[in-house]
Amino acid sequence: DGGITQSPKYLFRKEGQNVTLSCEQNLNHDAMYWYRQDPGQGLRLIYYSQIVNDFQKGDIAEGYSVSREKKESFPLTVTSAQKNPTAFYLCASSPPGTSGGSQETQYFGPGTRLLVL
Amino acid sequence: GDSVTQMEGPVTLSEEAFLTINCTYTATGYPSLFWYVQYPGEGLQLLLKATKADDKGSNKGFEATYRKETTSFHLEKGSVQVSDSAVYFCALRGGSRLTFGEGTQLTVNP
Repeated sequence: DGGITQSPKYLFRKEGQNVTLSCEQNLNHDAMYWYRQDPGQGLRLIYYSQIVNDFQKGDIAEGYSVSREKKESFPLTVTSAQKNPTAFYLCASSPPGTSGGSQETQYFGPGTRLLVL
Repeated sequence: GDSVTQMEGPVTLSEEAFLTINCTYTATGYPSLFWYVQYPGEGLQLLLKATKADDKGSNKGFEATYRKETTSFHLEKGSVQVSDSAVYFCALRGGSRLTFGEGTQLTVNP
């Protein structure tokens, strides 16, 4: 089955610790995205990547880092610089499509909930 | 920049009631418009989409029409079920990025 997997489902971070959230897709999509969702709020874009070995900052990139070494993988690291990391993190991917990709649907993974100990 | 405004929630309805969730947007050019649904503890699922003016997206009894003149994409369903209880997000895509509204929590009581 094609889809997007995120792991772990729950992740606990200690103060001053870096943690990495995994996102893998077998949909052969070029573009991948990371969003943060806080309770009662919409999604905010952290980072996105439209092609392997390239990525761009979203609206709230501070305190986060990413890599895109393989087409199917886009891990997100929450660094110790992120002072309020508790949130639900969602990964998404989409095919390139035409019209700059504006018509293409983004498909979402099941999410990782990050909690601070 | 692009923005999406959804009606504030939460919305509580009885089963078989009519549903409308308002969504208006601000964007340059001709964005595509989407409705996503999120069930508790899960990721987002695409509910429907429309890619040009006057297009109607539909799925599972839900409908929304892309109205360029009023910059709106309101979600409607004629008869809601308890299983429709979820958070609904309106979104637009003008390029490589999606811009989301803040979501509307819907609760349907039996």
